[in-house]
Amino acid sequence: SYLLAQPPSVSVAPGETASFPCGGTNIGTKSVHWYQQKAGQAPVVVIYFDSARPSGIPERFSGSNSGNTATLTISRVEAGDEADYYCQVWAGPNDHWVFGGGTKLTVL
Amino acid sequence: QVTLKESGPVLVKPTETLTLTCTVSGFSLTSPRMGVSWVRQAPGKALEWLALLFSDDEKFYNTSLKSRLTLSKDPSRSQVVLTMTTMDPLDTGTYYCARILMGDNWFGPWGQGALVTVSS
Repeated sequence: SYLLAQPPSVSVAPGETASFPCGGTNIGTKSVHWYQQKAGQAPVVVIYFDSARPSGIPERFSGSNSGNTATLTISRVEAGDEADYYCQVWAGPNDHWVFGGGTKLTVL
Repeated sequence: QVTLKESGPVLVKPTETLTLTCTVSGFSLTSPRMGVSWVRQAPGKALEWLALLFSDDEKFYNTSLKSRLTLSKDPSRSQVVLTMTTMDPLDTGTYYCARILMGDNWFGPWGQGALVTVSS
């Protein structure tokens, strides 16, 4: 089965840059999508197709994908960015849609 | 505006069957490429994809749960129904439905979620 590996937590101070790696075998050949889930709320897509931003998502959110790691980057982190972040891919006809384990962002 | 809303029992007993309904608005379940998926989240745990139904009636199920899951839809009522048999306390969690477009493979928007507790 296809697995996506995410670190459990990331901590940054306001104004700094937060990076969220998502590791998977040859993930660079797949489209990666990222979701933000704030406490007690449903997930919201913040990046789709590796680096596209839906309307309403700040330009501070960006994504990249190459080799075995995709990365979500949040620049100039704000307190309101505190949430869990999940990566997700279509892993093929056997595994279908797969989520990573999620990374919790703490804004110090 | 596209919205989805889950409904169903808050509490089910072990071994019982869970039936959840996703009622959508702002789009048609029969539109080309349209799909509705179910994703669940155990308390404090990660998201887990469960099942997906496209407008052409193509269905996909999580391989490890396939024997317990069934999807159906009622386009006239804009509803997608998920049934899960033989419920276990480990199935406790929040169940979300979300829209997906065939070929895009990402989920959005999502419903608010329905918390289901499995306990005797």
